[in-house]
Amino acid sequence: GESVGLHLPTLSVQEGDNSIINCAYSNSASDYFIWYKQESGKGPQFIIDIRSNMDKRQGQRVTVLLNKTVKHLSLQIAATQPGDSAVYFCAEKILGNYQLIWGAGTKLIIKP
Amino acid sequence: DAGITQSPRHKVTETGTPVTLRCHQTENHRYMYWYRQDPGHGLRLIHYSYGVKDTDKGEVSDGYSVSRSKTEDFLLTLESATSSQTSVYFCAISETVNTWGTGELFFGEGSRLTVL
Repeated sequence: GESVGLHLPTLSVQEGDNSIINCAYSNSASDYFIWYKQESGKGPQFIIDIRSNMDKRQGQRVTVLLNKTVKHLSLQIAATQPGDSAVYFCAEKILGNYQLIWGAGTKLIIKP
Repeated sequence: DAGITQSPRHKVTETGTPVTLRCHQTENHRYMYWYRQDPGHGLRLIHYSYGVKDTDKGEVSDGYSVSRSKTEDFLLTLESATSSQTSVYFCAISETVNTWGTGELFFGEGSRLTVL
């Protein structure tokens, strides 16, 4: 989805706790979703993706959940570490169009 | 890390001057992309290329042109820079494009452009 503000939503999590980053996507015709992580001063890096025919997909320490009924996507990070501090972007792809539509991002801060 | 080099990494220029940003890849990937990143907008696609001399517009292509004369190089040109083009520009590459999209995109480190 698109953002309307200049300030990123921020999530602060204690080190070792689980993090849940949410994303509301905009188009019911979207058939593919992807999460990227961007550390300060770097380009985004792929984390995990999910197709619309799935509800859940797991990776290493990360899980993506897709709820098509309410057009909601979430990224769960288990046992959050200092290295997880970054801005996380969700992106969607609309059926028939292979370009991605990016969200504005969520900043994850890890408290020691 | 994917072999993607952007140059220059930082540039300050004046309104009305031409600017060219270069993206060089060593991965031999077919697809290359130019994005801009601005606060509150995530990443927005400017132009992309699906092969040598094959390019197409993205969602924010006005004021930008691109060229790809070799597989490894993708150039982004601002013919006459404006202050609204102050941004961080990212080049990305992907190996394939299929029904499910571009697959994993690999990004460069970004080029910060300031237009005064």
